Amino acid sequence: AQTVTQSQPEMSVQEAETVTLSCTYDTSESDYYLFWYKQPPSRQMILVIRQEAYKQQNATENRFSVNFQKAAKSFSLKISDSQLGDAAMYFCAFPRGSGGSNYKLTFGKGTLLTVNP
Amino acid sequence: EAQVTQNPRYLITVTGKKLTVTCSQNMNHEYMSWYRQDPGLGLRQIYYSMNVEVTDKGDVPEGYKVSRKEKRNFPLILESPSPNQTSLYFCASSLKDRAAYEQYFGPGTRLTVT
Repeated sequence: AQTVTQSQPEMSVQEAETVTLSCTYDTSESDYYLFWYKQPPSRQMILVIRQEAYKQQNATENRFSVNFQKAAKSFSLKISDSQLGDAAMYFCAFPRGSGGSNYKLTFGKGTLLTVNP
Repeated sequence: EAQVTQNPRYLITVTGKKLTVTCSQNMNHEYMSWYRQDPGLGLRQIYYSMNVEVTDKGDVPEGYKVSRKEKRNFPLILESPSPNQTSLYFCASSLKDRAAYEQYFGPGTRLTVT
């Protein structure tokens, strides 16, 4: 069953503008992490930002920030002052544990972000 | 430099010809994992390993084998590749107690099976 949902297959933004990518997830755990990964055309998986579920404060990394709503199981990524280099596929992910062993990352299907000059 | 390496980066092969994709990390990580990425499906886990000689299936293990004889290496073996295994493959590693916190990804291997 799909446990991470990215409802926007594609998004576009003008350079220097702000864009928000959506992600919802499903888990019965109370303490976990959430991630946004960026995959540029080079296909490398790059960790953009990480949120700890027990922290109420939203994570921020330079121009990237999240809006984490634990009760709603929502984890959106906001990119401010968009740059051409932000164009990439973005994946929301969280590690599903199984008895404290395999923390496999469960990924959404991705959102392809285009940045227009 | 701390890194996860994969070889080859690109491979085109024919149905049924056995192949191995290597993965190596230099960070002394216990946890290693293989994912495959397909359009519209995101990444899905194939196999993982919590330590040397300890491996287990992920979500899509059919048609794959792995081994973990050394801590740094975790090769992915396709004994009889089929076209539905055409995909982009990623290896990832982590410290065992930090697998839920951070995983380091290799650069990916693009496999085409004709």
